[in-house]
Amino acid sequence: DTEVTQTPKHLVMGMTNKKSLKCEQHMGHRAMYWYKQKAKKPPELMFVYSYEKLSINESVPSRFSPECPNSSLLNLHLHALQPEDSALYLCASSHSGTSGRARETQYFGPGTRLLVL
Amino acid sequence: KNQVEQSPQSLIILEGKNCTLQCNYTVSPFSNLRWYKQDTGRGPVSLTIMTFSENTKSNGRYTATLDADTKQSSLHITASQLSDSASYICVVSAKGPSGATNKLIFGTGTLLAVQP
Repeated sequence: DTEVTQTPKHLVMGMTNKKSLKCEQHMGHRAMYWYKQKAKKPPELMFVYSYEKLSINESVPSRFSPECPNSSLLNLHLHALQPEDSALYLCASSHSGTSGRARETQYFGPGTRLLVL
Repeated sequence: KNQVEQSPQSLIILEGKNCTLQCNYTVSPFSNLRWYKQDTGRGPVSLTIMTFSENTKSNGRYTATLDADTKQSSLHITASQLSDSASYICVVSAKGPSGATNKLIFGTGTLLAVQP
């Protein structure tokens, strides 16, 4: 199974809502990532979890709160978002994320398309 | 500053034709270079990955080349199909201080449209 799944596929929320994005993988990967992608732009790294610990936070606003309950799951909790936060949110995983493995590939999920009104 | 630039920004070709996409990078120290295909509204899918010592890698009708001296890579698509219509993203990894890396530097992508 080389699949990363994300739910929901689409999400519309108001600026006062609280919602969560979910990501799951069963490849035994120990690194998981959240990316934000605006239209016609490359993905931008938000967070990296390595062995269930947050290893990178790319200065993301606190209205985005990641959580890694176990090695297979990654959540992104959303609260008080702004319209400019509307984007495609991608989850990815890789074998370890911290080794110098030159062939380590990140496997991406299909994304959650988020619209903030 | 680590950067990855791709050209052209967009490309339209007829079904069955070949095309080549370009990627120039200024990433140091270099670890590896990957090409991803991203369908609209979907997550990127890895096509090829090359390390410093590899200069060619094929995956079906996709062939990637790497010139580590000039810091250039290309992705050649042979006998294009309608399903090749997508954004193609060049991604370069840099080695961290300890020799490890877990951050990718994404190019802006080339949007390919294959027309019948």
